Amino acid sequence: EPEVTQTPSHQVTQMGQEVILRCVPISNHLYFYWYRQILGQKVEFLVSFYNNEISEKSEIFDDQFSVERPDGSNFTLKIRSTKLEDSAMYFCASRFEGADTGELFFGEGSRLTVL
Amino acid sequence: AQSVTQLGSHVSVSEGALVLLRCNYSSSVPPYLFWYVQYPNQGLQLLLKYTTGATLVKGINGFEAEFKKSETSFHLTKPSAHMSDAAEYFCAVSDNTVAGTALIFGKGTTLSVSS
Repeated sequence: EPEVTQTPSHQVTQMGQEVILRCVPISNHLYFYWYRQILGQKVEFLVSFYNNEISEKSEIFDDQFSVERPDGSNFTLKIRSTKLEDSAMYFCASRFEGADTGELFFGEGSRLTVL
Repeated sequence: AQSVTQLGSHVSVSEGALVLLRCNYSSSVPPYLFWYVQYPNQGLQLLLKYTTGATLVKGINGFEAEFKKSETSFHLTKPSAHMSDAAEYFCAVSDNTVAGTALIFGKGTTLSVSS
């Protein structure tokens, strides 16, 4: 069964460092998303991406965040200068365009720990 | 703007007892509604969804939910809890009139099942 894959599963970084989280969405999906879940809290929407541009973003997604689809398969989230409060689980998700039922398919997540 | 309220951050039941997890939504347009489950250290897995049509929807693992427009609710139920149902459950809503719109999640309900 097709699935969304994310790497790395866990990354530890020092405050101020840049981090790139990678995602491979399901191959025939055209909408891509990043969500964040701080430990013990709800899943928060960060950004959605369609047709090589951001289609929606939340107030969390400030200038330190960026997303890119560098090739035909990967979808990345970059955090330029990490802060302690960026420590969270980051989930990538993708969605099929045709016959849209709204369902998002999630990856297993990348846990980011900022020290 | 859409939002989701999950009443009760933690629900405890005995094995074999009825499970009821509450979800109320706010949406100015016809919504798509979802329940996702998150097992420890795993990603989000779709349990069930309501898009259009029958208001009682059945999902995996014996769960079902009923869309009640008049009550703006989408409560999740299971007649008989199993130990393996212990997990975090998230209700989510999206706007079904805008293709690709992001899901908005509730804060989640932790379900504990005791023997």
